[in-house]
Amino acid sequence: DGGITQSPKYLFRKEGQNVTLSCEQNLNHDAMYWYRQDPGQGLRLIYYSQIVNDFQKGDIAEGYSVSREKKESFPLTVTSAQKNPTAFYLCASTQNGQANYGYTFGSGTRLTVV
Amino acid sequence: AQSVTQLGSHVSVSEGALVLLRCNYSSSVPPYLFWYVQYPNQGLQLLLKYTSAATLVKGINGFEAEFKKSETSFHLTKPSAHMSDAAEYFCAVSEAGGGNKLTFGTGTQLKVEL
Repeated sequence: DGGITQSPKYLFRKEGQNVTLSCEQNLNHDAMYWYRQDPGQGLRLIYYSQIVNDFQKGDIAEGYSVSREKKESFPLTVTSAQKNPTAFYLCASTQNGQANYGYTFGSGTRLTVV
Repeated sequence: AQSVTQLGSHVSVSEGALVLLRCNYSSSVPPYLFWYVQYPNQGLQLLLKYTSAATLVKGINGFEAEFKKSETSFHLTKPSAHMSDAAEYFCAVSEAGGGNKLTFGTGTQLKVEL
């Protein structure tokens, strides 16, 4: 079955470390997205990419970086510059880069700073 | 920029009672609207979407939503709540005519009591 796979499900990071969250899809979707979820704040857009080798900043891109070397993959790196990285991270995709189709979501990665 | 407001961060209903979750959008042009459901530590699942066809949209699990342009609303309803409906619900909007990303509301946590 087609879908989006996020790994790991749980991730622990020490202060000052960079960590990378994986997102892979086999839906042949063109666009991919990273959202951050905090209690009471809904989902906030970090980065998105509509085609390979191109991506745009979302509303809260500071302290994060992404790459899109393959259509299927859109990894997110949480850098040491992100001051409050503890959150639930969700990856999503949509066909043809059009949000009116709605998103397909992965099952998320919960990142905790220890 | 598009935005949605979800009134009530927590809603509690009795099993068998009507479920009503409120969502208002801000746009002079009717956008595309979505409702998603999220169970604990999981990704979001699409319940239903409005894309300028019928104003009453039926979704999965017995949910439906009605688009009311005069009230800029897209409230989610279900005639009879079930214990399995307990989850967090998000309203989302994309730009009219398409657009490449969704903007989410802050979510409503639904509790179903015996």
